[in-house]
Parts: sequence; structure tokens; C-alpha cells
Amino acid sequence: GQNIDQPTEMTATEGAIVQINCTYQTSGFNGLFWYQQHAGEAPTFLSYNVLDGLEEKGRFSSFLSRSKGYSYLLLKELQMKDSASYLCAVMDSNYQLIWGAGTKLIIKP
Amino acid sequence: IAGITQAPTSQILAAGRRMTLRCTQDMRHNAMYWYRQDLGLGLRLIHYSNTAGTTGKGEVPDGYSVSRANTDDFPLTLASAVPSQTSVYFCASSDSQDTGELFFGEGSRLTVL
Repeated sequence: GQNIDQPTEMTATEGAIVQINCTYQTSGFNGLFWYQQHAGEAPTFLSYNVLDGLEEKGRFSSFLSRSKGYSYLLLKELQMKDSASYLCAVMDSNYQLIWGAGTKLIIKP
Repeated sequence: IAGITQAPTSQILAAGRRMTLRCTQDMRHNAMYWYRQDLGLGLRLIHYSNTAGTTGKGEVPDGYSVSRANTDDFPLTLASAVPSQTSVYFCASSDSQDTGELFFGEGSRLTVL
């Protein structure tokens, strides 16, 4: 079966760095996506990786290792507004998105 | 303002009633999707449409139907609601079926009693 695993909840301190991991087992691979979802709101697209390596976008970076079925989202200089759930999703060989359950990130002052 | 609009935002419904959730986008996106989101579970695809006039079943289609008469509109119908359909429903769209960059509506919170 297809499976996406990510931690249920993480806590970090304002100004610090946090890494949210995602491991996956899917039927084929056509890209890995990270979304941010604030409580009570819609998910919004953050990043896309299809090749191995690190993609940087401001305070957020996303890493992919296809051979290990592994990705992480790195958030630097954490701000209170970064408190949200972070969803990992993989596009399989049929171009269907398989979603993880999300990681709830709590930022403390 | 370009985007994707869902209605209603919230609804309480008696079991057995028929309900249609509306979704409209003005981005001229070809692909549209309906997901449900439940606590502790990832987004689950109910139905999708890769282009106007076509629809397909997702992971959890039972009890739901959709239509795609034009590019902009993609309504989701619950023919006879059951309590297990209590959930938050998100409509989304993308430029094409093979991109994972989805644009989501604000969601419709449905409670079936």
C-alpha cells in the first residue's frame, strides 16, 4: 500500500530552527510537496521537490532523497505565525497526490 | 479577486437529507478536486475532474457524486447524508492533472446528525 509518515506534533522555540521529516512509500514518484495549513484555514502550497537535494525559499527549505524515500522541511528563524500544520504529499505514478496526516508545529515564545 | 470559492462555509444537516456543496474557481484551471479532512487522517480524495465534462473517483467516493458541466464549477452532492460524512470538505483546483500545486477553497464544515 501507499504510505506517508510524518510526526504528529512538534514544539519549537521562537527564533530557532526546526526540521519536519517525512518518509514515504508510494507506487512511483512524480514529486514531493509541502503545504502549510493554519488552524481552521485551507492548505497553501509551500514547496516542490522532484530531484534529490535541497530547495531553498526564504526561511523555508525542503530536502529530498528519492533513494531513501525521505524528505524534510526546514524552517529557520521561527516566528509565532509559523504555528500551523505542515502537510507532506507525494504524487504517485498515476499523478494522484498521497497525503500524510500532517505535523502540527507549536511555536513557544 | 482570483481564487476558489466554496459554499456554504458551515452546515448542520439531518441524516438522510440531500446536500450539495458548491465550488467555483475563476483561474481557468483544468483540474478540480474534492477532499475531505478528518482529524488524524490525511486529506482523502473523494472525486476529481481532469477537465470539463469528465470526472473520476478518488479514494473515498461512496455516498458522493460530482458533475463538471463547465470549467469553473464543480459541485459535490451527498444524496442521503450519514453521520460518517461529518467532516471538513475542501475543494481544490490545479492548472493540470499532473501538477501537485493545488489551490484550495476555504473549506465547508459539514455536521450530519
